Amino acid sequence: GQNIDQPTEMTATEGAIVQINCTYQTSGFNGLFWYQQHAGEAPTFLSYNVLDGLEEKGRFSSFLSRSKGYSYLLLKELQMKDSASYLCAVRTDQTGANNLFFGTGTRLTVIP
Amino acid sequence: EAQVTQNPRYLITVTGKKLTVTCSQNMNHEYMSWYRQDPGLGLRQIYYSMNVEVTDKGDVPEGYKVSRKEKRNFPLILESPSPNQTSLYFCASSGGLAGVWDEQFFGPGTRLTVL
Repeated sequence: GQNIDQPTEMTATEGAIVQINCTYQTSGFNGLFWYQQHAGEAPTFLSYNVLDGLEEKGRFSSFLSRSKGYSYLLLKELQMKDSASYLCAVRTDQTGANNLFFGTGTRLTVIP
Repeated sequence: EAQVTQNPRYLITVTGKKLTVTCSQNMNHEYMSWYRQDPGLGLRQIYYSMNVEVTDKGDVPEGYKVSRKEKRNFPLILESPSPNQTSLYFCASSGGLAGVWDEQFFGPGTRLTVL
């Protein structure tokens, strides 16, 4: 089975940097995704890592270490609109399908 | 505009009354999936489909059915809904290329309440 852990809640200040961690245990790892989800809305894609290292995309960066089963999402220059849940999802190739397994999400609150 | 649509967006029903939630995508995606999202449990996969006439169970398939007669549509059917199926449901689609970068696009969600 799959096991994905991330903190339930985090709070950070506008303009600051926050790091959201995700650890996973899975068979047939085939990529890690981060999604953003505002309350009551659909998840939207943020980033994808399949090889070790850092992927940067504007104010958002994501890091992956496959040997440690660890990823983080880094948000810089936080804005109030970044208040949302951040979902870590692992893709496996066990069934040959593009199936994602999601963590329970980290609710980030940005305060002035 | 590339999108995944779901209908209805909100539904209140009673135990045992069959219902269907429709899902449609206009991106010619091969892969489609249904999730439910519950507080503290995150997104859990109900069923998925890798192509027309090919469907398979996800993690929580009990009480649900799906069909994939056309590439663009993937309806979710609850033959006899029960209160424990009260949840927020999302449909998603992707190109289906498991070996490459391939994000899933999500529909807007359907909030279902079963009384």
